[in-house]
Amino acid sequence: DQQVKQNSPSLSVQEGRISILNCDYTNSMFDYFLWYKKYPAEGPTFLISISSIKDKNEDGRFTVFLNKSAKHLSLHIVPSQPGDSAVYFCAVMYFSGTSYGKLTFGQGTILTVHP
Amino acid sequence: DGGITQSPKYLFRKEGQNVTLSCEQNLNHDAMYWYRQDPGQGLRLIYYSQIVNDFQKGDIAEGYSVSREKKESFPLTVTSAQKNPTAFYLCASRTVNTGELFFGEGSRLTVL
Repeated sequence: DQQVKQNSPSLSVQEGRISILNCDYTNSMFDYFLWYKKYPAEGPTFLISISSIKDKNEDGRFTVFLNKSAKHLSLHIVPSQPGDSAVYFCAVMYFSGTSYGKLTFGQGTILTVHP
Repeated sequence: DGGITQSPKYLFRKEGQNVTLSCEQNLNHDAMYWYRQDPGQGLRLIYYSQIVNDFQKGDIAEGYSVSREKKESFPLTVTSAQKNPTAFYLCASRTVNTGELFFGEGSRLTVL
């Protein structure tokens, strides 16, 4: 039973255009959402996060949108650059009241940005 | 420099052998995690520990064991009972009051 799904295994985008990566989750208790970027044979690096009290968070070229009613999360990269080519994972967690619980990851989406 | 160090980066093992992967962090983080990455399956949680001398099973703990004797260290043993051990293993840590996980560079285990 997958609690977090990234339904697109891959995405190909032209340099300078927008990349939109999507993520769906099933449990409405999740209240903190993160995106990680991963290059081959390396550990993931944190990109951007959003808590459930917000519906948008921006950091430079990266914006995360949260639609709680649809249980849907998306990452927008504008403009896309060839160096953005990597695997992107969304991750979700909930706050128990005293600490954050474990992080659950989606399957990942391979983004390729063509020059 | 603060960070998470995993070793070895590459490891080969014969079937039937146990192997231990090292994870050390100097970030003073309370919680540490082990994930496994397989193609098309994302990152799956093996074990995690939120405090020294305590740890919990994740989603795929069978065939693995861990210990947390020191705050800085969280080694993972892949035992011969793990049916499909060839994978990329990732260690991570964080403080319990924040959501963001910091990852090591990973260890690739290949069983011959």
